[in-house]
Amino acid sequence: DAKTTQPTSMDCAEGRAANLPCNHSTISGNEYVYWYRQIHSQGPQYIIHGLKNNETNEMASLIITEDRKSSTLILPHATLRDTAVYYCIVRVRDYKLSFGAGTTVTVRA
Amino acid sequence: GAVVSQHPSRVICKSGTSVKIECRSLDFQATTMFWYRQFPKQSLMLMATSNEGSKATYEQGVEKDKFLINHASLTLSTLTVTSAHPEDSSFYICSARDASKSSYNEQFFGPGTRLTVL
Repeated sequence: DAKTTQPTSMDCAEGRAANLPCNHSTISGNEYVYWYRQIHSQGPQYIIHGLKNNETNEMASLIITEDRKSSTLILPHATLRDTAVYYCIVRVRDYKLSFGAGTTVTVRA
Repeated sequence: GAVVSQHPSRVICKSGTSVKIECRSLDFQATTMFWYRQFPKQSLMLMATSNEGSKATYEQGVEKDKFLINHASLTLSTLTVTSAHPEDSSFYICSARDASKSSYNEQFFGPGTRLTVL
């Protein structure tokens, strides 16, 4: 399974866009990129996923580089409730998700 | 839609006792459910994959006789921690994969169960 690399932590201001980078340089051609987040003491929440094209839903946008070696999750207008650990995961075998350390995002008022 | 529940949300038990945790998919069928464990300030670690109607498959290092998994229906999987010890204290989280969405791997997670073994 492809390994992902994310910054340990980042801060962002409430109301501003939060851009979360993820490197996955060993991703295979048929592997998806998934993003989940975990708010303190809760179960993870699915955010978005993509293969090649950029994707957008009501929660976020996912920008995948043309070579697919990296991606960026964009929270367009961060709120205090977006404070969480964000996990970038590449498709794993047999539908299993392998969680790394993730990025701890703190949204400040 | 796509709600997964866990029961109980929090349990405290004495060392040596067994604890059962339930994971239910409330509005979809889940042929596959997953069980994770998360220690404080650490990431989620997959323990096992639970398949409806068949035996669970365990990740390396996870004792199958200690963590009994049953997936008797398309909406229910249970994890039983047998002869619990203080080192088993952790946050246990299940997830369920929507069987109707075979094209990708969107998993829905339960809220977690906090187990404390005294």
